[in-house]
Amino acid sequence: KAGVTQTPRYLIKTRGQQVTLSCSPISGHRSVSWYQQTPGQGLQFLFEYFSETQRNKGNFPGRFSGRQFSNSRSEMNVSTLELGDSALYLCASALDRGGQPQHFGDGTRLSIL
Amino acid sequence: AQSVSQHNHHVILSEAASLELGCNYSYGGTVNLFWYVQYPGQHLQLLLKYFSGDPLVKGIKGFEAEFIKSKFSFNLRKPSVQWSDTAEYFCAVSGSYIPTFGRGTSLIVHP
Repeated sequence: KAGVTQTPRYLIKTRGQQVTLSCSPISGHRSVSWYQQTPGQGLQFLFEYFSETQRNKGNFPGRFSGRQFSNSRSEMNVSTLELGDSALYLCASALDRGGQPQHFGDGTRLSIL
Repeated sequence: AQSVSQHNHHVILSEAASLELGCNYSYGGTVNLFWYVQYPGQHLQLLLKYFSGDPLVKGIKGFEAEFIKSKFSFNLRKPSVQWSDTAEYFCAVSGSYIPTFGRGTSLIVHP
C-alpha cells in the first residue's frame, strides 16, 4: 500500500511569491491534514480537510489556504510568501476524523530567499 | 484549548539503559493520545496510541506508554534502548479533532 506522497520535495521561492504544495493520501483515507514544522515551533497544525471541506483550522493567517479534491488529494497554497514561511510542510492522512492515527508524508521543504 | 508539554528536549543514553520520556497534556474532555517517532531521514510514524481501555499500551519496537488520567500524563517507556532508537519522539493529543503535538524530544543512544 503506497504511503502519503507529497510533491515537490524541495522548493525555493522568493518573498512575495506564492506556492502550491500537493499531497496524495493513502488510498481509502478521507481526512488530510497539513502541518508546518520548524525547529523553533515544532509541529503546528494548519488545517484539516474531509470530504472536500475544511473542517478545522489552526492559528495561521489567511495567506495559508488549501483544498481537497473528490479523490481526497489535497493542495495547500501559501500566497505572498514571507521569510518566516521557510519550513517543512507535512501532510498527514487518516481513515476518518475524530482523532484517528495519522500517516505522514516525507514533507515539502520550502525555503524562502 | 488543548496543549501538550514534553519535558525532556534532549536525552542522551547508552545502549541498554532504560528510557522514560515525559508527556503532559491539558484538555478538559476525553482525549486520544499518541506517540510518534521520526527516525533520521524518515517520515513521522506512529509508535503507539491510546483511545480507551487498558491505560498501559504497547507499541512497536518494545515501547510502551502509560496513561495516568489523574496526572494528565502519557509517558513513554522502554526498558532497554538500542542505538537504532536514536530519533525524535513526539507526543500528541487529539481531543477536539485538532491534533496538538508536543515540541519533541531528541533521543541519542550511544552504542
